[in-house]
Amino acid sequence: GQQLNQSPQSMFIQEGEDVSMNCTSSSIFNTWLWYKQDPGEGPVLLIALYKAGELTSNGRLTAQFGITRKDSFLNISASIPSDVGIYFCAGHGDSNYQLIWGAGTKLIIKP
Amino acid sequence: DVKVTQSSRYLVKRTGEKVFLECVQDMDHENMFWYRQDPGLGLRLIYFSYDVKMKEKGDIPEGYSVSREKKERFSLILESASTNQTSMYLCASGAGGIIYEQYFGPGTRLTVT
Repeated sequence: GQQLNQSPQSMFIQEGEDVSMNCTSSSIFNTWLWYKQDPGEGPVLLIALYKAGELTSNGRLTAQFGITRKDSFLNISASIPSDVGIYFCAGHGDSNYQLIWGAGTKLIIKP
Repeated sequence: DVKVTQSSRYLVKRTGEKVFLECVQDMDHENMFWYRQDPGLGLRLIYFSYDVKMKEKGDIPEGYSVSREKKERFSLILESASTNQTSMYLCASGAGGIIYEQYFGPGTRLTVT
């Protein structure tokens, strides 16, 4: 099936750094969702975006619904060790209830 | 808080066995989903259901079937398990309507030997 282009694939970060990741699509979406998955667990919803241009925060996380409706960004400020994990974007276009998923961005803390 | 539970965290089955994975949600959600997750392949939708007794195929339905007899429960069935079905299986639920958010269970790590 269709996949979103999510980048970067992985990131090594120092504690305290800001982190940015993004997802792009070839088609227009009306919903963007960002999830975090810890090892051996199911993904947890972080932020949901429903409107083009929307900027939404959840603690140190901020996500934006791109104005073209074909992309979305997630920023994490002042990263801490518990931020490690895999972050997934997901979008919904005009199909049924299926979401289109990115391949994930793996966040790793530099020792 | 939405709670989605899955019947087992870890399961080991033999090739050819019939396998049932159960999922229960407590939020009266209309929609329920089954995904499998494999390294490098992301989340792939197997089946979903938008109402009791209704089901639709996702991207990889071959070798699987589903059952939704009650709103809160969605079962995934492997009729004859094969080694290539060794994977992490994730169940999710969603409210439906114009809300597309999905809430996931903890997953079942299935190994078929």
